[in-house]
Amino acid sequence: GESVGLHLPTLSVQEGDNSIINCAYSNSASDYFIWYKQESGKGPQFIIDIRSNMDKRQGQRVTVLLNKTVKHLSLQIAATQPGDSAVYFCAENTADTGRRALTFGSGTRLQVQP
Amino acid sequence: KAGVTQTPRYLIKTRGQQVTLSCSPISGHRSVSWYQQTPGQGLQFLFEYFSETQRNKGNFPGRFSGRQFSNSRSEMNVSTLELGDSALYLCASSLVTQEGGSPLHFGNGTRLTVT
Repeated sequence: GESVGLHLPTLSVQEGDNSIINCAYSNSASDYFIWYKQESGKGPQFIIDIRSNMDKRQGQRVTVLLNKTVKHLSLQIAATQPGDSAVYFCAENTADTGRRALTFGSGTRLQVQP
Repeated sequence: KAGVTQTPRYLIKTRGQQVTLSCSPISGHRSVSWYQQTPGQGLQFLFEYFSETQRNKGNFPGRFSGRQFSNSRSEMNVSTLELGDSALYLCASSLVTQEGGSPLHFGNGTRLTVT
């Protein structure tokens, strides 16, 4: 499959453990954030989003935490499974080019050991 | 509901040529955005179209252009291809524009190789 990133930071966890993927965003004016999962050979897949008026949002097995004070976003995956192995991107909705567009982080590779 | 469809899946072109990539959004989605993904630069925003109008453009040269049709389908064109244009080109659709803050739903991309 295509190489998403040759030197991505990698998080290796055991199957069944919880995973925490962190992301520092750049613009304090960003008001909308999304986490995406990208598997080899596929496009990014939406996982969960959060707006800046919230600190926490939960989905199925996933939780996103937003700390606006330090411009930090995290994705928690409960009971990590081999199918969770992928590259995870955070994205912020920011207005670098005049109008708002999603700007993506560089990604973190999650490897789940069976 | 069918997802975002991009064609072709793979493309090989020679320097100096031009290429057109196609994207069909999710039914009902009127906003289409294009991103370039490379191992070195990651995902970078190219442009966004809504109701056949370019709403926003990233920091790419004028060789990169796009358009959107009345059925929301979109095409992007790259002229005078350079080796550095080799990348995965991703199309994403959403119900409203990115200004409104809604999730983008991506296709699986077109892998362009320039030789």
